[in-house]
Order: sequence, then C-alpha cells, then structure tokens
Amino acid sequence: NAGVTQTPKFRVLKTGQSMTLLCAQDMNHEYMYWYRQDPGMGLRLIHYSVGEGTTAKGEVPDGYNVSRLKKQNFLLGLESAAPSQTSVYFCASQGFSNQPQHFGDGTRLSIL
Amino acid sequence: RKEVEQDPGPFNVPEGATVAFNCTYSNSASQSFFWYRQDCRKEPKLLMSVYSSGNEDGRFTAQLNRASQYISLLIRDSKLSDSATYLCVVNWSGGFQKLVFGTGTRLLVSP
Repeated sequence: NAGVTQTPKFRVLKTGQSMTLLCAQDMNHEYMYWYRQDPGMGLRLIHYSVGEGTTAKGEVPDGYNVSRLKKQNFLLGLESAAPSQTSVYFCASQGFSNQPQHFGDGTRLSIL
Repeated sequence: RKEVEQDPGPFNVPEGATVAFNCTYSNSASQSFFWYRQDCRKEPKLLMSVYSSGNEDGRFTAQLNRASQYISLLIRDSKLSDSATYLCVVNWSGGFQKLVFGTGTRLLVSP
C-alpha cells in the first residue's frame, strides 16, 4: 500500500527559484492538505482541498499556490522561493472530515 | 485560549513506567479526537482514535472527558521505542471541519 506519496524527498533551492511539490494518494480520499513544520514547532496548515478542482487557504498561505486537477494529486507551488520557506512540508489526505488524516513522509526543502 | 493545548514536556521516564498526557480543547462542538505519534524528523502517524467510552490498544489507553473538554493518553510499561512526540488532534466544527493539531508532548524513555 503506497498511501500518500510525496516527491521529491529533499530539495535545495536558491532564493527566487520556483518549484512544485507533488502529493499523490491512492486511497480515493476527498480531502487533501499541505502543512509545513519548522524545528520545534507544530504543524501549520498552508492550503487544503475538499475535492477535485477546489482549494482553500489555511493559516499560512502566503508565498504558496496549490492545484487539485485530479482527485489523487495535490500540488504545492513556490513561485519565488524565500529563505523563510525553508521547512519540512507534509502532505496529508483524509476520507471524510471526521476521520483521521494520513501523512506522506515529507519533503525537506532548504532555500539558500 | 488556544484551540488545542498540550504540555510540551519533555516527560522523562524510566523503562517500565506509566505515563499520562492530557490535552485540552476549546471547541465544545468538537466530535472527533485522535492521538498521533511523531518521531524526530518523520511524519505524524495515527496512534489511536479517541471514543466517548474510552478505548484501549495494548499498552495505550485513551480517554475523553467532554464536560471538561480534555482528552488523555496513558502509556503503561513504557518502552524505549515509545520515545517520541505525541500530538493531540481535535476536529474543529464550524464551516469546514478541519483537524487541529496540538504542538505535541515529548516523551523520553530511558533505560
């Protein structure tokens, strides 16, 4: 069972570069989420999606964009990377809103 | 008041000890509760759901107290492998029912 798969696992960017993080789930879940986690801190929700073709802002959306063109995929884009976006990014999926979320194993992103 | 509050710890306990964590939540309409475990630099993993009647899974017992708006996790006979951060998670009713994650309680089990 693949569950939730994130690519890439690691990436180093220079300030101003752009990139896209991919999250794929094979559980036919409706809801998908992008979080960031900084050292010693909790998860912070960046954006989320309640279904194919829909996205919404979380608590820290600035500097990020997302798309959910297919139900199984949720993409997180950084248009112009900044050092403050150095973090570990986790994607999660969820079947229904009262069920637990299932996480990918994270993308470690460093921006120089 | 924070949506979900946890004592950050760390809780330092010897192997074999029993340890308990509490978590308080502010939304009285919350209906779903979970405990997750997160190892250093890894993804959060579901440990157990928390039901109104309380539930047990091996050495782990979860309890819900709706009147006081807190949930608890009890770990019996602690193992070295239990060392991790334990996240309390509550669903947030009102509009989209997102899950709100606490910042976690760190547990260190020593030989």
